[in-house]
Amino acid sequence: KNQVEQSPQSLIILEGKNCTLQCNYTVSPFSNLRWYKQDTGRGPVSLTIMTFSENTKSNGRYTATLDADTKQSSLHITASQLSDSASYICVVSQFFSGGYNKLIFGAGTRLAVHP
Amino acid sequence: KAGVTQTPRYLIKTRGQQVTLSCSPISGHRSVSWYQQTPGQGLQFLFEYFSETQRNKGNFPGRFSGRQFSNSRSEMNVSTLELGDSALYLCASSPPGRDRVIGEQFFGPGTRLTVL
Repeated sequence: KNQVEQSPQSLIILEGKNCTLQCNYTVSPFSNLRWYKQDTGRGPVSLTIMTFSENTKSNGRYTATLDADTKQSSLHITASQLSDSASYICVVSQFFSGGYNKLIFGAGTRLAVHP
Repeated sequence: KAGVTQTPRYLIKTRGQQVTLSCSPISGHRSVSWYQQTPGQGLQFLFEYFSETQRNKGNFPGRFSGRQFSNSRSEMNVSTLELGDSALYLCASSPPGRDRVIGEQFFGPGTRLTVL
């Protein structure tokens, strides 16, 4: 069964600290993996996207890693800010002939950054 | 370039009513997908439209339907509303070309539907 599991479900950290969010998937065939940030009541915004040949990608203070062999990804946030408080969603994409993608969404990790 | 827009942003309906939500994709994007997001279930795929044709469909009952117009704008309709339909409904558009292969999606702000 194609699944994307994220951990932890929720996380509280102090401003300025680092944190790492985890994503494990059992999706095949695999096309790419994305991390989205979703502020409360808003639509998700893409942070990073990685294909199987990429094992790390950065976007400012956000760094995503991908291990295609173990089917694990992580999102590391450096020097957290209050504005990082949001849900972070891991999404794995399957690409099928015919030109369409099927997206498998994780349940998300809710991060709260406290002053 | 304007982002994905959704109207209305908030909606309150009662059980048994029907509702129509609207989505305008980013200019040049021809693929539009709809998602339901609830606290317990996360993001659930409803359907995808491309060039006015439904290309992919999730596991939702027939009360959920959609369509796409020639200008790529899309509407989603839910008939005979149930309490469990209360959710944030998100629309996402995808650009053509290589990004379409990668499956990049740009989400709108969503429509918050409350069913009483």
